Amino acid sequence: SYVLTQSPSVSVAPGQTATITCGGNNIGRRSAHWYQQKPGQAPVLVVYTDSERPSGIPERFSGSNSGNTATLTISRVEAGDEADYYCQVWDGDSDHRVFGGGTKLTVL
Amino acid sequence: QVQLVESGGGVVQPGRSLRLSCAASGITFSSYAMHWVRQAPGKGLEWVAVISYDGDKKYYADSVKGRFTISRDNSKNTLYGQMNSLRIEDTAVYYCAKDRSDAGYSAFDIWGQGTMVIVSS
Repeated sequence: SYVLTQSPSVSVAPGQTATITCGGNNIGRRSAHWYQQKPGQAPVLVVYTDSERPSGIPERFSGSNSGNTATLTISRVEAGDEADYYCQVWDGDSDHRVFGGGTKLTVL
Repeated sequence: QVQLVESGGGVVQPGRSLRLSCAASGITFSSYAMHWVRQAPGKGLEWVAVISYDGDKKYYADSVKGRFTISRDNSKNTLYGQMNSLRIEDTAVYYCAKDRSDAGYSAFDIWGQGTMVIVSS
């Protein structure tokens, strides 16, 4: 089955840029989506189809996907961005939807 | 107001059954695929199942295949999840989520608040 690998944690100071990666075999050939989940809350879609932002998501959130890595970039990080972030793709071989293990973003 | 509201969770003994429901409002429910996603305490997200907009296609994670049945009633704007032969490891918050597409190949753009299922003797 298809596996997505994320680093468990990323730390960044306020105002800096956070980069969260999601590794998978030829993930660049798939559409990657990203979700933000704050403690005790349901996940929220922040980037879909590699780099598209849903309505209401700040421009500070951006995404890219190439080769074996999809990337979520959060510019000018704020305290309110502290959360777990999950990548997700559709595995066409199995028709399963797959989540990465999640990355905890800490704002120092 | 766009909203998904899950219900049906609770405490259940191993081997028993439970039926989850997800009521949708503010969306054209019959036009979109729907998913169940779960999250065990302190763990990450795990996709469980998807059903296409018309109920014709259904796919399941290996961990629940044969024990979980996803269904929908478009006349009632409601998604269901029938959980049988429950195991301790099924303990989780269960979320329903709307897909951006009709077949279920896109992102999950709307999520419910979740319903907790605890499997314990």
